[in-house]
Amino acid sequence: ETGVTQTPRHLVMGMTNKKSLKCEQHLGHNAMYWYKQSAKKPLELMFVYSLEERVENNSVPSRFSPECPNSSHLFLHLHTLQPEDSALYLCASSRSLAVTELFFGEGSRLTVL
Amino acid sequence: GEDVEQSLFLSVREGDSSVINCTYTDSSSTYLYWYKQEPGAGLQLLTYIFSNMDMKQDQRLTVLLNKKDKHLSLRIADTQTGDSAIYFCAAFSGGYNKLIFGAGTRLAVHP
Repeated sequence: ETGVTQTPRHLVMGMTNKKSLKCEQHLGHNAMYWYKQSAKKPLELMFVYSLEERVENNSVPSRFSPECPNSSHLFLHLHTLQPEDSALYLCASSRSLAVTELFFGEGSRLTVL
Repeated sequence: GEDVEQSLFLSVREGDSSVINCTYTDSSSTYLYWYKQEPGAGLQLLTYIFSNMDMKQDQRLTVLLNKKDKHLSLRIADTQTGDSAIYFCAAFSGGYNKLIFGAGTRLAVHP
């Protein structure tokens, strides 16, 4: 138990669906991250939030839309995805941006049909 | 850009030592990490070393850092089947102000 919880653990969606991934951290951290892990590129940083403000967006397509309503919760809204978006999406948190020790959730395995 | 490289696969016999190697390119990297990922799970921080250290030992784990060669290694003593996992090396790049991960080394432990 790392203190970072992701739901759902598995998600199957069609290309026209809209779904969301949720991440919650119980560690009192101020920074949260979304990573994509696939066979082609093992760990890609997608988004970084610090104190609910987005500080990094690594050229991620607009069909991925993050939301950070408070420092404990992070969402990744998904719409009109492509099959190549199938991957494990990992959420992580750290005490702050200056502290690079990351605590990861178990991941949400996404399959796009 | 900054890069972290690891060999992709390592196979060892149960009870032997495992050594997983990693090289990085950013000489200003301050913290270097080892993460472990078991099947179907997220990444778990195993250990880390600060760039002004050469070695860090934590029970069965020994981390060695050669800053001149930008080479990091993780030694697991008395490797067990429960150590089978993917091990990721990560370097905090001071120049890019971000954590850069390697592709991961899959460790297979056989009897």
